[in-house]
Amino acid sequence: QQQVKQSPQSLIVQKGGISIINCAYENTAFDYFPWYQQFPGKGPALLIAIRPDVSEKKEGRFTISFNKSAKQFSLHIMDSQPGDSATYFCAASISNNNDMRFGAGTRLTVKP
Amino acid sequence: KAGVTQTPRYLIKTRGQQVTLSCSPISGHRSVSWYQQTPGQGLQFLFEYFSETQRNKGNFPGRFSGRQFSNSRSEMNVSTLELGDSALYLCASSLQGAWANEQFFGPGTRLTVL
Repeated sequence: QQQVKQSPQSLIVQKGGISIINCAYENTAFDYFPWYQQFPGKGPALLIAIRPDVSEKKEGRFTISFNKSAKQFSLHIMDSQPGDSATYFCAASISNNNDMRFGAGTRLTVKP
Repeated sequence: KAGVTQTPRYLIKTRGQQVTLSCSPISGHRSVSWYQQTPGQGLQFLFEYFSETQRNKGNFPGRFSGRQFSNSRSEMNVSTLELGDSALYLCASSLQGAWANEQFFGPGTRLTVL
């Protein structure tokens, strides 16, 4: 069922560094690409999302880069903080269809 | 605005039993989707309800079923529980229309099957 591949599985970054998580998708019909952040014991929280009509979207320290031809998108977390330590999931879906396909997740650890 | 609420937060059941989980969406949201999260399979889509009708369904056996009420609250039922059903069950709500894809998750119900 997995149609979204996410890497790396885990990532350790120093405080102030840049965290980069990558995802690749297969289904060219996908047109909505969100990133979710999940802390232990909590449900995933929507972080930022992009549609394929733009190549980049920035919200605060979080940026999504989107490459439609390569069918890849990535999350960049600038100035990473220990509070960013969580599991991050990329996802993809088709407009008006909430059958969302998730990547396997990346466990990010930001060391102080 | 209150977020998505799920009850109960934790459940322990034994094989063969059945269980019902409840989800209350964000006020005004009419779509409720259910997901199963396990360490091995990750987040997998179960089904989505919109206006009391199942709109989408994932690849899960018929033991997994759901329904939605007129106030948009939803329930998920799993019958004849198996050990492999142990998971975090998440529901997510969303609006209709252009931003219908924006899904907001609840904290989940942790189901343990013994």
